[in-house]
Amino acid sequence: QPVLTQPPSASASLGASATLTCTLSHGYTNYQVDWYQQKPGKGPRFVVRVGPSGIVGSRGDGIPERFSGAGSGLYRFLTVKGIEEDDDGDYYCGTDHGSGGNFVSSYVFGPGTTFTVL
Amino acid sequence: QVQLQQWGAGLLRPSATLSLTCAVYGGSFDDYHWNWIRQSRGKGLEWIGEINTSGSATYNSTLRGRVSFSVDKAKRQVSLKLTSVTAADTALYFCTRRSPILTRNWFDSWGQGTLVTVSS
Repeated sequence: QPVLTQPPSASASLGASATLTCTLSHGYTNYQVDWYQQKPGKGPRFVVRVGPSGIVGSRGDGIPERFSGAGSGLYRFLTVKGIEEDDDGDYYCGTDHGSGGNFVSSYVFGPGTTFTVL
Repeated sequence: QVQLQQWGAGLLRPSATLSLTCAVYGGSFDDYHWNWIRQSRGKGLEWIGEINTSGSATYNSTLRGRVSFSVDKAKRQVSLKLTSVTAADTALYFCTRRSPILTRNWFDSWGQGTLVTVSS
């Protein structure tokens, strides 16, 4: 099954842009990943799904268009523009290594990136 | 707006059975699949498994044999049982919702989490 890799930390200044990276293991270039944001003491919140060609479907509830996604090879990117204080938190990517049916058969998450707004 | 409220015992002895319940308020119950995901310092986020409201389920292969789910449609509740727990099962456990429709089948709602500690 795929392994997802994420850098442990990232930071950017208020008003700037930042790109978080999720790397799929070799051979999974056609996979989509889901991005989640987690705040301390809360469950993760779905942000957006990103495939080889970019965003797939709609952003999560209440997620602004400042959040965008792109894909290239094994990389799936989450870009945040016009960073606000509330954008900080832990960001996880995840993907379903499934059969394509309507049941999850094997969902895996990356280790997460702690994003700090400076 | 859907809300997932979960509860269960927070402190268990090794070899005990972990038991958690998740109640669904608002939104459709039958149109979604219900997942359990746990989060620990050592393993990060780990998918445990999924059940639909007909009772069909899939499980993480690493936990198969110890984990089971149940659903109570009348109460709009799903439950998780994990037997023979060890310290490695210490984690924050989340109940989550997922649509089975391929174009939107991400985990779109999460419970508040239940911290389960396994210790003698």
